[in-house]
This record gives sequence, C-alpha cells and structure tokens, in this order.
Amino acid sequence: SQQGEEDPQALSIQEGENATMNCSYKTSINNLQWYRQNSGRGLVHLILIRSNEREKHSGRLRVTLDTSKKSSSLLITASRAADTASYFCATGSLGGANSKLTFGKGITLSVRP
Amino acid sequence: AAGVIQSPRHLIKEKRETATLKCYPIPRHDTVYWYQQGPGQDPQFLISFYEKMQSDKGSIPDRFSAQQFSDYHSELNMSSLELGDSALYFCASSLPQGDEQYFGPGTRLTVT
Repeated sequence: SQQGEEDPQALSIQEGENATMNCSYKTSINNLQWYRQNSGRGLVHLILIRSNEREKHSGRLRVTLDTSKKSSSLLITASRAADTASYFCATGSLGGANSKLTFGKGITLSVRP
Repeated sequence: AAGVIQSPRHLIKEKRETATLKCYPIPRHDTVYWYQQGPGQDPQFLISFYEKMQSDKGSIPDRFSAQQFSDYHSELNMSSLELGDSALYFCASSLPQGDEQYFGPGTRLTVT
C-alpha cells in the first residue's frame, strides 16, 4: 500500500519563487527522506529528517516533519530552472537502520525561467 | 565521490527470456536494496541484502531472485520475463546502520 502521498501532484512556478511540496504517510516511521528525479533518471537524495526532528535545513531546502499529523513538507527557496524535476518523499519504517523505503507518488515541479 | 554503479543501463529482452542486472554499491556500504519503478509510477521496494544475507523482501515476483556477493555487489536475476516487467530498476546502498539510501542511475528494462 502507498505510504507517502504527495500534494500537489504538479506545481508550476516562476524562477525565484518558493516551492512547497507536501507529503503524508500512514504508519509510524523512523525517518522520512526526500528525493529528486529528473525525467527517467536516477533518484538523487536531498535530505533526511528523523522522527524525533521537526525541521531541517540544507542549502535552499527546508523540510519539516509533523509526526502527529503524519505529514512532511519540502520547501525549496529561490527556485531555479534546474530545480525542474519530480520530487518524492519516502519513509523508512521502524525496526532499526537499513530498513526499506516506501515511496509516495511524485510531485512534478516545473520552474519557468 | 563514488556512486552506486548499475549495469547495464539499458536492456531489451523478449517475453520469456531472462535478464541479469548488476549493482555495485558505494565503497563501505554493506546494504543493498532493489526497487522497481514502472512508467509514471513511484519506486516499489523489491528486496534488500545486508552483509550478504537477505534482510527484507517486498513485492518481488517469484520469477525474480537476487543475491549479494562477498564483494557486496548484488545481482537481480529475472526469468520468464513478461511485458509488465518493463520498468526502471534501481539499486541503492547504505552505510552500516545508515538510513540514507543512495541510488544508482537505474537499468531501463524493456520487454517486447
């Protein structure tokens, strides 16, 4: 069954604007990770947030996690055309490290130059 | 920095044929995961190995098998291929006790 459900499914913004993508999940998790995928290519790891963390930053990325609502958001600030890609959230289950990831459906982000 | 290596990058097979996909994890990563991503779909976990032993199993068909070797590389063997097996197959690896999974570029399998 699907774990992470992202919204919106597609997002189109102007270069320089901020992009916010949301993800919800169903079961208890150990961590939540965000990945970027350019069309038909590999998954690039962006950021990991653990279940005991509420917010994390990495460069232009800010991710939040609300375990009470089972949701996460990814904010990309000052977007660039190169940020155009699909973004996935993936949850790592409880039960220790090295657990499988359960992906949600991706969000397609288009950044217009 | 070294990344996960997958070979081949593209593979075309006919129905009922077999295919072998290879994955070379990042050095010092001891856990390997395999995922399948159908067209327009999200990646689905197939199977994982830790220290050469199967550690978890997902929605992997019985026609598929995998193993991890002493040098930590892994192979996914697929037999009696079906049209529905056409997909991107990703391998990922992680450090011992690590949660972050780093993905390879994928193998695009097309079954005709």
